Amino acid sequence: DARVTQTPRHKVTEMGQEVTMRCQPILGHNTVFWYRQTMMQGLELLAYFRNRAPLDDSGMPKDRFSAEMPDATLATLKIQPSEPRDSAVYFCASGLRGVETEAFFGQGTRLTVV
Amino acid sequence: EDQVTQSPEALRLQEGESSSLNCSYTVSGLRGLFWYRQDPGKGPEFLFTLYSAGEEKEKERLKATLTKKESFLHITAPKPEDSATYLCAVHHAGNNRKLIWGLGTSLAVNP
Repeated sequence: DARVTQTPRHKVTEMGQEVTMRCQPILGHNTVFWYRQTMMQGLELLAYFRNRAPLDDSGMPKDRFSAEMPDATLATLKIQPSEPRDSAVYFCASGLRGVETEAFFGQGTRLTVV
Repeated sequence: EDQVTQSPEALRLQEGESSSLNCSYTVSGLRGLFWYRQDPGKGPEFLFTLYSAGEEKEKERLKATLTKKESFLHITAPKPEDSATYLCAVHHAGNNRKLIWGLGTSLAVNP
């Protein structure tokens, strides 16, 4: 059963702490997306990788967020330092091509920054 | 401004009561419109992609249609297991790497 795996599922941290979220995309998928979901804004694209290369990270606050793909089986999203406004659900998704085709989402990481 | 608006925000139906969800968009050069289903505590799950006005796609009790300004997700004789949030997203020519997402319609089907 191929699926996108995200860890941790839940994270509570104090303001100013570093947070790292991890994602294992579906084997064979060459595109990886990081999304943030809030009630007010809905789903927002933070970063997008193809073949491990970052294609678009314009949705990320550059001063505190960073996204990487150390290898084809791991994508990471890091927030340093975290702020209460970063509280949201962060989703990783993978796909076979770009945004023009379907994406397969993980279960998300629910982040709470207090 | 490029925008995707879903209505209603919430919908409550009785089992077997058919209805439609709306996704209206104002973008230039539509390349694709996506419907996803999201259950509580889970990530969105792909349902359909529509590419051109007049196109229709069906899956079980769901049927998605597309015009030049909006898409409808018709739910025929819904069951409680159809309860979820339904999300619409648009890929347009001006924004190759991004989708514009609606806020969703929360559907509850009562037995």
